[in-house]
Amino acid sequence: GAVVSQHPSRVICKSGTSVKIECRSLDFQATTMFWYRQFPKKSLMLMATSNEGSKATYEQGVEKDKFLINHASLTLSTLTVTSAHPEDSSFYICSARDQWGQNTGELFFGEGSRLTVL
Amino acid sequence: RKEVEQDPGPFNVPEGATVAFNCTYSNSASQSFFWYRQDCRKEPKLLMSVYSSGNEDGRFTAQLNRASQYISLLIRDSKLSDSATYLCVVNSNQAGTALIFGKGTTLSVSS
Repeated sequence: GAVVSQHPSRVICKSGTSVKIECRSLDFQATTMFWYRQFPKKSLMLMATSNEGSKATYEQGVEKDKFLINHASLTLSTLTVTSAHPEDSSFYICSARDQWGQNTGELFFGEGSRLTVL
Repeated sequence: RKEVEQDPGPFNVPEGATVAFNCTYSNSASQSFFWYRQDCRKEPKLLMSVYSSGNEDGRFTAQLNRASQYISLLIRDSKLSDSATYLCVVNSNQAGTALIFGKGTTLSVSS
C-alpha cells in the first residue's frame, strides 16, 4: 500500500528556534497533503491543507506565519514551526491520499513528529 | 454539538469478548466514513471504510445509519492485539479536505 514517510520522528528544540518537518509520499504522487496536530488524549486536528505548487489552506485559528508550509513537489511537503514556544509542543502528523488508489477515501499517515520545545 | 463524537472509554474487556463502539456525527451532508486505529504514540491507520449497507472484515463489522447520523464498529472475539484507540472519521466533502476525527475510543483487551 501507499506509504508516507515523515522526518524527523522526534525533535527537541529551544524556545525561539524554528523546526522543519518533512513529509514524503514514497510510492505515489500527492498533489494534496494534510498536516494535523494531536495533543495528548485529544483527537487529530487539521491544521492546514498543503497544495502542490500553490499556497496552503489553513484552518481557522492556525497562524500561517507561524506554521509555514511548502509543497514544492508532488512527493514532498514541509511544515516549519517558526519561533517555537513550549505550547507548540505536540505530535505533528502529515497525511496524503493516493488519488488513483483503490480506496480514494483512505488517508495514509506519516509516522508523526513529536516536537518538544524547551 | 461536536462534529464527531465518540465514547472515549476506556473499554476494558477480556480476550474473546465482543465489543461495540459508537460514533455520531453532526453534519448530515457527510459523504464517507471510516474507522481508523491508532496505537499509542503511533500514526493512525485505516481499519475499514464504512458503507451504507454495512460491511464486514473478518472479526470487524461496521455499520452506518445515515438517518440517525450514527456509525458503529463491532469487534468479535477480541484479541490482545486489538488493544488500541479507534478513531471514527467522517469526510464531509469529496475533496477529502474535511476529514473530521473523533477523539477516539480506547480499547484494552486483557488475558
